[in-house]
Amino acid sequence: DQQVKQNSPSLSVQEGRISILNCDYTNSMFDYFLWYKKYPAEGPTFLISISSIKDKNEDGRFTVFLNKSAKHLSLHIVPSQPGDSAVYFCAASARGGSEKLVFGKGTKLTVNP
Amino acid sequence: DAGVIQSPRHEVTEMGQEVTLRCKPISGHDYLFWYRQTMMRGLELLIYFNNNVPIDDSGMPEDRFSAKMPNASFSTLKIQPSEPRDSAVYFCASSPGVSPLHFGNGTRLTVT
Repeated sequence: DQQVKQNSPSLSVQEGRISILNCDYTNSMFDYFLWYKKYPAEGPTFLISISSIKDKNEDGRFTVFLNKSAKHLSLHIVPSQPGDSAVYFCAASARGGSEKLVFGKGTKLTVNP
Repeated sequence: DAGVIQSPRHEVTEMGQEVTLRCKPISGHDYLFWYRQTMMRGLELLIYFNNNVPIDDSGMPEDRFSAKMPNASFSTLKIQPSEPRDSAVYFCASSPGVSPLHFGNGTRLTVT
């Protein structure tokens, strides 16, 4: 059973517009959530995280929103740039840190010039 | 900081052969993780170490898989014997603890 789900395998947006990537989780013990970005032939790289005591975390163009009651988080990228084209993974942990991260299957974002 | 270094980048082998994947974590990182990425299952944790000691190997698919960390700067993931269903990208990652993981660039394994 998938504990972290990214239901959209792909997303295409125009440069300058907002990209919204979604993630749902089922395990109510998860208390720490991360987003990773992955380019082809490279490993995932950390993008942004949020603890369950918050509902929003912002870092430049990237904002993560957490809705604990809905067990849902989203990543907003504003404005989107062609260099943001990558696969985005949502991940969650039940230990407040990075041990035993559970990953979603990823969403491939394409930002068109 | 050279990052997490994995070798080889690509491995093609025949069913039944032994495969050894290697990883050098970032110096000073106490945690080391092995992940496997497939289309069907996405990124799944196989095993992780803390201070060279295996902490959780519940993700290791079966006895054909084994992992070791003989010292703080080296780890191996071995598959013996390999099968076509083991074909995947294997990632090693390290972390200093409560910080996000740093991944290597992966080893793409193809078993024919």
